[in-house]
Amino acid sequence: DSGVTQTPKHLITATGQRVTLRCSPRSGDLSVYWYQQSLDQGLQFLIQYYNGEERAKGNILERFSAQQFPDLHSELNLSSLELGDSALYFCASSVADSGGSYEQYFGPGTRLTVT
Amino acid sequence: AQKVTQAQTEISVVEKEDVTLDCVYETRDTTYYLFWYKQPPSGELVFLIRRNSFDEQNEISGRYSWNFQKSTSSFNFTITASQVVDSAVYFCALSGLLSGAGSYQLTFGKGTKLSVIP
Repeated sequence: DSGVTQTPKHLITATGQRVTLRCSPRSGDLSVYWYQQSLDQGLQFLIQYYNGEERAKGNILERFSAQQFPDLHSELNLSSLELGDSALYFCASSVADSGGSYEQYFGPGTRLTVT
Repeated sequence: AQKVTQAQTEISVVEKEDVTLDCVYETRDTTYYLFWYKQPPSGELVFLIRRNSFDEQNEISGRYSWNFQKSTSSFNFTITASQVVDSAVYFCALSGLLSGAGSYQLTFGKGTKLSVIP
């Protein structure tokens, strides 16, 4: 158990809908990262927040957005969903800002299926 | 730009055999970090090891060992006396300055699926 929690575990929704994925980092970690894992693209970095502020953006679509709240939990919002958005979405956390200097601990993931 | 290549898509070994998972990386950074993660069938990603670019010492942890060679840009992972519980997808990752992101982020390889047959 990494200490990172994600809800829900599974999500099935229809095209065009909007969903929110939730992540709570490990106790003491200030950085939260979101990743998408799909069969064709592999594991891709989406976005990072550090202590409530957006720190870095990767391959995140404009239809996707995220935020980190004062209690450090984070939410990833996916809107106007398309079939291609079906994937496993991971949240990870680390103690500090730098995405590389410190190991990231991953949550169990949310499997999103868009039908 | 940075890139991680795991040329072995799938490997099958018989229990108790040794197996090496290859990882080759590309980066222009002089300071970077390399990682290995394990993804068992249950789906979660488990951190295994982190190495920085200045430390080329090999590392051993139980049945796991890692060989970092800067000259060949490789960071290979060996499992000795494999067990069925080692069956998983293993990802090598590189942390460097991600183009466009403006910060150090992880770039993952495509993963190697290891099946250990009893």
